[in-house]
Amino acid sequence: DSGVTQTPKHLITATGQRVTLRCSPRSGDLSVYWYQQSLDQGLQFLIQYYNGEERAKGNILERFSAQQFPDLHSELNLSSLELGDSALYFCASSLREDTEAFFGQGTRLTVV
Amino acid sequence: QKEVEQDPGPLSVPEGAIVSLNCTYSNSAFQYFMWYRQYSRKGPELLMYTYSSGNKEDGRFTAQVDKSSKYISLFIRDSQPSDSATYLCAMRAPNFGNEKLTFGTGTRLTIIP
Repeated sequence: DSGVTQTPKHLITATGQRVTLRCSPRSGDLSVYWYQQSLDQGLQFLIQYYNGEERAKGNILERFSAQQFPDLHSELNLSSLELGDSALYFCASSLREDTEAFFGQGTRLTVV
Repeated sequence: QKEVEQDPGPLSVPEGAIVSLNCTYSNSAFQYFMWYRQYSRKGPELLMYTYSSGNKEDGRFTAQVDKSSKYISLFIRDSQPSDSATYLCAMRAPNFGNEKLTFGTGTRLTIIP
């Protein structure tokens, strides 16, 4: 157990809908990262937060947004969902931005 | 050309064999190297974290970095069926944080009892 908690584990929703994925980082970790993993793309970095502030953006679509709350948990919001958004979404956390990153167990999103 | 290349496999070896997993990279600035193990439909689990060149050993696992060849390896000794998973390499340069981690696409390993 990495100490990073993601909910829900599975999510099935229809196209056009909006969902929220939640991540609780390891105790004491200030940095949170979101990744998308699909079969043909590998792990794709989406966005990073550090102590409540957005620090870096990767290949994140405009339909996607995230935030990190004062208690350091983070949420990834996915809207106007398309079939191609079906993937595993992982959250990772690290104490600082340059220390080891630990991953959660992921949320499997299926858009039908 | 991708910055990090990793043979996707699949790789099947008999139980007890020594397994060698490899990644090559093109960015000479990379100094931090990681290996993650990912079981099917689970999150990547950090196995090894190394800096610069040389070897690092942890139990049955040995990580090796050859910066002159831009080549990293993970060796698994006395392989077990529980080692069956996808192994991802990851790396970054020292002046960047984890937001710049570059991952390989993973090698799928199966240990045959």
